[in-house]
Amino acid sequence: SQKIEQNSEALNIQEGKTATLTCNYTNYSPAYLQWYRQDPGRGPVFLLLIRENEKEKRKERLKVTFDTTLKQSLFHVTASQPADSATYLCALDPLMDTGRRALTFGSGTRLQVQP
Amino acid sequence: DAMVIQNPRYQVTQFGKPVTLSCSQTLNHNVMYWYQQKSSQAPKLLFHYYDKDFNNEADTPDNFQSRRPNTSFCFLDIRSPGLGDAAMYLCATSREIGPRADTQYFGPGTRLTVL
Repeated sequence: SQKIEQNSEALNIQEGKTATLTCNYTNYSPAYLQWYRQDPGRGPVFLLLIRENEKEKRKERLKVTFDTTLKQSLFHVTASQPADSATYLCALDPLMDTGRRALTFGSGTRLQVQP
Repeated sequence: DAMVIQNPRYQVTQFGKPVTLSCSQTLNHNVMYWYQQKSSQAPKLLFHYYDKDFNNEADTPDNFQSRRPNTSFCFLDIRSPGLGDAAMYLCATSREIGPRADTQYFGPGTRLTVL
């Protein structure tokens, strides 16, 4: 069956360091992958989209990589700040062969940046 | 300016007492979604509308219903809430849906408590 895996354990890092979060998937062949940020008690907010033919995408201090061979995306937050503390969700595009038409989300990894 | 608005932000209901959650959007998007999210879990898609076309997920309980009277508004009706229905309910929109879907815009969510 199709599965999206994100590390359920929180990632704790010191301010100024680079945080790296992982999204692994099985039995998908996504055309693109998205990353969202979710703060406690709030809805997710879109951050970045990366397509299957893109190896890397950047937005300010954020960087996403996409390795379709490894079936993995890495999400990097460079020069991290306490304000970056949140849960980060990855989402994959629909599976064409199942007829499913909506994004599927992972359960997210909580990032905690210590001052 | 808020683009996806959910009301109320917090809803308390009694076991078995029907409840309606509302969502409105100012984006004029074709697609509206309802997700259920429990603590530390992925948002779980309940159903979505593409315009007036309703699409129910196979594992969404019959207890959950939805209405979309016009482009801007969508409602989630829980006919007989059980204790297991206590969760955050997220409304989201996107311009399109399918294998090349756009990013999703989420509302702030409604936290439902069932007593």
